[in-house]
Amino acid sequence: RKEVEQDPGPFNVPEGATVAFNCTYSNSASQSFFWYRQDCRKEPKLLMSVYSSGNEDGRFTAQLNRASQYISLLIRDSKLSDSATYLCVVNGGTGRRALTFGSGTRLQVQP
Amino acid sequence: EAGVAQSPRYKIIEKRQSVAFWCNPISGHATLYWYQQILGQGPKLLIQFQNNGVVDDSQLPKDRFSAERLKGVDSTLKIQPAKLEDSAVYLCASSIGQLDGYTFGSGTRLTVV
Repeated sequence: RKEVEQDPGPFNVPEGATVAFNCTYSNSASQSFFWYRQDCRKEPKLLMSVYSSGNEDGRFTAQLNRASQYISLLIRDSKLSDSATYLCVVNGGTGRRALTFGSGTRLQVQP
Repeated sequence: EAGVAQSPRYKIIEKRQSVAFWCNPISGHATLYWYQQILGQGPKLLIQFQNNGVVDDSQLPKDRFSAERLKGVDSTLKIQPAKLEDSAVYLCASSIGQLDGYTFGSGTRLTVV
């Protein structure tokens, strides 16, 4: 089983749509959770951290369910500029503290 | 604030040759990482440094890959000899602490032919 699993997509949505990405992780000792965004042929960039109580940043909402080891990202009112790959990322927990990345979910927002 | 600097941006080498990549992290960031990203996959950790000490190199193919961070600042990653399957983007990242989000450099795209 992969440490971080994501649906690879692609998700093709029209502008203005709401889209949700899900992710599961296998290490129950993981302590930090993030969503990164990666544009084509660019480096990953931190989109937002994910907190147990859930958190919002503008049109983006992240949720964490520790019991189910599940993380989600909701994007409201999608823009063309949101087209990218979204990487679910978790801290490795005890024994491996470095971040472990999922393979990413590709989003294509269409006019 | 200056970002994470990496060089070169691109490198093409023949299999069995050697290659080296350089990284300069954000000033003050104690933790430095090297990741390998193969096309279509997420970044995979190769090695993690805390200052000039290795924290995790469990996924580094030590028969051909080596890395160092001698003075706790710059780092180099070397591959010798390269194989075709080493074709990937090599990303360097740094963070203030081990539980913080990372800042990545723009990466080195390696093609082994």
